[in-house]
Amino acid sequence: DVKVTQSSRYLVKRTGEKVFLECVQDMDHENMFWYRQDPGLGLRLIYFSYDVKMKEKGDIPEGYSVSREKKERFSLILESASTNQTSMYLCASSLVPGTDPYEQYFGPGTRLTVT
Amino acid sequence: AQSVAQPEDQVNVAEGNPLTVKCTYSVSGNPYLFWYVQYPNRGLQFLLKYITGDNLVKGSYGFEAEFNKSQTSFHLKKPSALVSDSALYFCAVRPINTGTASKLTFGTGTRLQVTL
Repeated sequence: DVKVTQSSRYLVKRTGEKVFLECVQDMDHENMFWYRQDPGLGLRLIYFSYDVKMKEKGDIPEGYSVSREKKERFSLILESASTNQTSMYLCASSLVPGTDPYEQYFGPGTRLTVT
Repeated sequence: AQSVAQPEDQVNVAEGNPLTVKCTYSVSGNPYLFWYVQYPNRGLQFLLKYITGDNLVKGSYGFEAEFNKSQTSFHLKKPSALVSDSALYFCAVRPINTGTASKLTFGTGTRLQVTL
């Protein structure tokens, strides 16, 4: 089974802190994604990566950056955390789609609170 | 731009009754469609997907979904609901021709509550 792990389940940070969220997948997937989940808004894509050192902005990249130095690891960085970044953050991975649009596999999520 | 609408924030159903969770989509060209489920304090789990062919797709835990191109809908169904089906359900879409970028657009989610 694919396993996607996230470094923390719960995180509390102060406004202005630099925050790192780590995600690791063990199935050699090329694609990795970071989403945030907010009530009534569903999942919104922050960034995704289709290869090592490659990244593309999603729908809401402002205030975030990412790093992918190794294929299995995809990090989300909040350069200066703000209270409006309080949310559930979900990481996902998938194979590169061909004729099959491979589904994404999700980690358990990190609930981040910025005070 | 692609979009997904899940018109019901919550669906309530009695155990043993059939359930339907609605999803409509908008996309350029033909779609790939997905359903995911999220149990409390967990990440999303894949349920089923529509690629092409048969409009009725069967997935995990007895769920199925019906693709209707003319109505641009992909409703999730189950003939007999269980209390353990209570969870948050997400519909997602992406157009077929997006190359290596498998970017999905998710709906806002529908909470399914199954009661005894």
